[in-house]
Amino acid sequence: SQQGEEDPQALSIQEGENATMNCSYKTSINNLQWYRQNSGRGLVHLILIRSNEREKHSGRLRVTLDTSKKSSSLLITASRAADTASYFCATDYSGAGSYQLTFGKGTKLSVIP
Amino acid sequence: NAGVMQNPRHLVRRRGQEARLRCSPMKGHSHVYWYRQLPEEGLKFMVYLQKENIIDESGMPKERFSAEFPKEGPSILRIQQVVRGDSAAYFCASSGNYGYTFGSGTRLTVV
Repeated sequence: SQQGEEDPQALSIQEGENATMNCSYKTSINNLQWYRQNSGRGLVHLILIRSNEREKHSGRLRVTLDTSKKSSSLLITASRAADTASYFCATDYSGAGSYQLTFGKGTKLSVIP
Repeated sequence: NAGVMQNPRHLVRRRGQEARLRCSPMKGHSHVYWYRQLPEEGLKFMVYLQKENIIDESGMPKERFSAEFPKEGPSILRIQQVVRGDSAAYFCASSGNYGYTFGSGTRLTVV
């Protein structure tokens, strides 16, 4: 299976702390994306990192990609209660069917005020 | 630009009934994808369509599920004779030059 896996499955932190989530995948990829999903809601695209990039920033988000280890991390700095959500990584793998996104099961983040 | 519009947001069906889920892609997008999310799981690819063409339906269950994207109107995901295991959130996405945009999903509950 090429499905990505996030860890931890659940993470609980205090407001103001940093949150780090990790994602591993199994095949060569074109891009890796991170999405946020509030409970019972749709997906919000956070950031895309290409396979030839190693690090990307967007506001309080920092994403790293290590293609040699087939892993990525999402760091949220100075967390807020509004960051409480599930976070998913999604990969589109290089090769036939590259339009498909393969999602992990997600990390459920709880930020306690 | 209204984004990807899905309706209904919530759908309740009794076992054996049919469920029809609709998706209107973003303006200018001609590629539509359907994904299913089971409780506590990530999204799983079901089908990829362009106007009047099914490009890849490798993620669709072999029976009871069908999808279309007609020349005019929204894309439709149709589930016949629904069973409890079909209860899930169904997301549609469309793509253009700048990647995917997801709709808010339809939450199907089979009772």
